[in-house]
Amino acid sequence: EADIYQTPRYLVIGTGKKITLECSQTMGHDKMYWYQQDPGMELHLIHYSYGVNSTEKGDLSSESTVSRIRTEHFPLTLESARPSHTSQYLCASSVGAVLSGAFFGQGTRLTVV
Amino acid sequence: KQEVTQIPAALSVPEGENLVLNCSFTDSAIYNLQWFRQDPGKGLTSLLLIQSSQREQTSGRLNASLDKSSGRSTLYIAASQPGDSATYLCAVHIKAAGNKLTFGGGTRVLVKP
Repeated sequence: EADIYQTPRYLVIGTGKKITLECSQTMGHDKMYWYQQDPGMELHLIHYSYGVNSTEKGDLSSESTVSRIRTEHFPLTLESARPSHTSQYLCASSVGAVLSGAFFGQGTRLTVV
Repeated sequence: KQEVTQIPAALSVPEGENLVLNCSFTDSAIYNLQWFRQDPGKGLTSLLLIQSSQREQTSGRLNASLDKSSGRSTLYIAASQPGDSATYLCAVHIKAAGNKLTFGGGTRVLVKP
């Protein structure tokens, strides 16, 4: 079983608020990823990290930011939420040599009103 | 740039029929290919992982093949059940550009009782 956790599972928040979506994994994986997915649509990579203090932008431009201060923790922050940020956000992790594949959290469904 | 395509986008079959889901990718320089299942509004569950050196993987009623040279993978689900209704995604771990995981658009499957 994968040990990767996302909190909160659901979040409804007002426009302009700052939010942080949490993602933690206990597998010691060095690579972590954030994907954004609108209902019924494809997954789009928005951020990834090779390890501590390493973060990169993904294929889809996003106004969110990420940090990787600890191996197990990869939070995503929106400084000022807007309705256009309403989506599902999925976090994943994998081992550096990728032999074991990627594991996903259950996702955070964000609604900005 | 690696592109992953899944055909068909949607599939509806009567219970008991075998399912055949196709995935193609443009760049054969991959570490592995992974098949996932996603239920509505949920995260991704890993089904099968095929390393680039392997030709197929099996788990219960699921069998996935990989032909790296032609850039194709097929997921077979034998004797489908209504509980198999979900979206199935394939993803490749690419060797270039930081070992990112690139997803196809998914195949939405409905198994009718």
